Amino acid sequence: DTGVSQDPRHKITKRGQNVTFRCDPISEHNRLYWYRQTLGQGPEFLTYFQNEAQLEKSRLLSDRFSAERPKGSFSTLEIQRTEQGDSAMYLCASSLVGLVVHEQYFGPGTRLTVT
Amino acid sequence: AQKITQTQPGMFVQEKEAVTLDCTYDTSDPSYGLFWYKQPSSGEMIFLIYQGSYDQQNATEGRYSLNFQKARKSANLVISASQLGDSAMYFCAMSIHNAGNMLTFGGGTRLMVKP
Repeated sequence: DTGVSQDPRHKITKRGQNVTFRCDPISEHNRLYWYRQTLGQGPEFLTYFQNEAQLEKSRLLSDRFSAERPKGSFSTLEIQRTEQGDSAMYLCASSLVGLVVHEQYFGPGTRLTVT
Repeated sequence: AQKITQTQPGMFVQEKEAVTLDCTYDTSDPSYGLFWYKQPSSGEMIFLIYQGSYDQQNATEGRYSLNFQKARKSANLVISASQLGDSAMYFCAMSIHNAGNMLTFGGGTRLMVKP
């Protein structure tokens, strides 16, 4: 079990550029969640997948945000036309539906800085 | 909508003493779970303990226990025998069963353990 991994760990971009983050969940986990955490706050939920189906996306912050999980394994989160307010830590988590405890295992996060 | 409130932005505890971190929640759904996560300065979210809304007994995991008072809608975390490595941010979170299990987090409590 290698845990949840995220790439890159840090990203610095200029305002207006597009960025894409990748998350590799724990291999047998069928649910994958994306959260955003701004400085001094708790994480806030963005979207989640069960296998390849995106079951909730209304909490994505704007239409500049999109996520995919094309084969039910890794997922990508894309932010188009980045703004300074997008600067935050983007966290990915995975879990296995079917367990009594729906514990989510988090990755190390991708820290985005928009200049 | 669900809400988690952590009223202690920061706390100090002497090494080897016990400490209680407060968490209150609000939901109208009868089936939910309550979680505590630890976030060290390195940034990863580490799962500590879980309590289901129908669980009759308070959850315990090693030095961690969850004081669940359903009528008061509180889920306080008790850490016994504090260690220097316990210094971190602690987040209380809630998920609603059968509704995606996405986590709603509180604002966190920074715990500092004094030697």
